[in-house]
Amino acid sequence: GQQLNQSPQSMFIQEGEDVSMNCTSSSIFNTWLWYKQDPGEGPVLLIALYKAGELTSNGRLTAQFGITRKDSFLNISASIPSDVGIYFCAGLNMEYGNKLVFGAGTILRVKS
Amino acid sequence: KAGVTQTPRYLIKTRGQQVTLSCSPISGHRSVSWYQQTPGQGLQFLFEYFSETQRNKGNFPGRFSGRQFSNSRSEMNVSTLELGDSALYLCASSALWRAGNEQFFGPGTRLTVL
Repeated sequence: GQQLNQSPQSMFIQEGEDVSMNCTSSSIFNTWLWYKQDPGEGPVLLIALYKAGELTSNGRLTAQFGITRKDSFLNISASIPSDVGIYFCAGLNMEYGNKLVFGAGTILRVKS
Repeated sequence: KAGVTQTPRYLIKTRGQQVTLSCSPISGHRSVSWYQQTPGQGLQFLFEYFSETQRNKGNFPGRFSGRQFSNSRSEMNVSTLELGDSALYLCASSALWRAGNEQFFGPGTRLTVL
């Protein structure tokens, strides 16, 4: 079945540092989504990517859809304390229906 | 525009009972998907409904079922609850059942089975 490998599992960084996380898969996806989840809440959509090679920014966040369609990365520049949370990548391939396949998540902690 | 709403936010049940969770999608969205989130298994797809029809189903036992109403609101039901059903149940809505569509999540229902 489809699986996503997300890394790193967790990060503990200094405020102001840049952050990078990525997801890889053995399957092809035609959409990549990045979400952030705070404790006790549902995931909030950060960035959506629809085309191989696409690079999209949302404020301090930048994400890219890999050329092979099997990977994606998310960068956060100049991290701040409110960036703390769990970040999930999710892939969608409509050949398998409208269901998201999620990575295991990256836990981000920021030292101020 | 109001986001996805889920009720109730918290539930405590005992083994063997059944439970019904409700989800109201973003206005105008016709696709509703349900996911189960646990520390051990992460986010797992349960099923998806579009225009009152189940379009897709994940690998969960038949105790998990759902439906969608003509106003796109959806409910999921879990019968004969087991301890392992304790989880955060998330509902996501999207505008159309098409390639590349974004899914927006509600806050979830935290189910605890004792």
